[in-house]
Amino acid sequence: AQSVTQLDSHVSVSEGTPVLLRCNYSSSYSPSLFWYVQHPNKGLQLLLKYTSAATLVKGINGFEAEFKKSETSFHLTKPSAHMSDAAEYFCVVSFTGGGNKLTFGTGTQLKVEL
Amino acid sequence: GAVVSQHPSRVICKSGTSVKIECRSLDFQATTMFWYRQFPKKSLMLMATSNEGSKATYEQGVEKDKFLINHASLTLSTLTVTSAHPEDSSFYICSARDPRQGGVETQYFGPGTRLLVL
Repeated sequence: AQSVTQLDSHVSVSEGTPVLLRCNYSSSYSPSLFWYVQHPNKGLQLLLKYTSAATLVKGINGFEAEFKKSETSFHLTKPSAHMSDAAEYFCVVSFTGGGNKLTFGTGTQLKVEL
Repeated sequence: GAVVSQHPSRVICKSGTSVKIECRSLDFQATTMFWYRQFPKKSLMLMATSNEGSKATYEQGVEKDKFLINHASLTLSTLTVTSAHPEDSSFYICSARDPRQGGVETQYFGPGTRLLVL
């Protein structure tokens, strides 16, 4: 079985400060890991994905995430938050043997303040 | 990236009626599409996997006679909520795998359909 835990339901940062959204996973097989962002009234957008290549993955809009197998983590970071980053972020896991089904975390609401 | 559309974006219906939601892959052919349900302040829950030309595969606890799925072409899957009741009110999201992507097949999501049953 696979699962994803997003440790924070809400994160609030000031504009220009770093962002850290935490994610831990559990998977019996080598997982593929994703971060998706959901803006209000918009569809889910893929930020980045890890697929067993480089452990540090760079995504769109300055986001990146590091796969740490020893810690079973895939935290999402950004050096400097922008107001437009305010949204809901989902950490997602899948594995090839599972029919590529996605298992979603419960989401983290990112708030960016002036 | 690949584009997936949904129609309608929002729908209000009376209790007891049926509602059809369409999911289209606009620039690629998708042999597999997925239907999710998202409750307020909650994560996405996979309802079923829609396979072109064959029966959908439903997740445990999802009533297949309640949520009818038809994947008649490589670019269209439909979800019909039959005899809708207020508890069916939710945000329904579809996704499609782009087989052109090398390696892990990424899912691309539609913008969602907000269903309100009165």
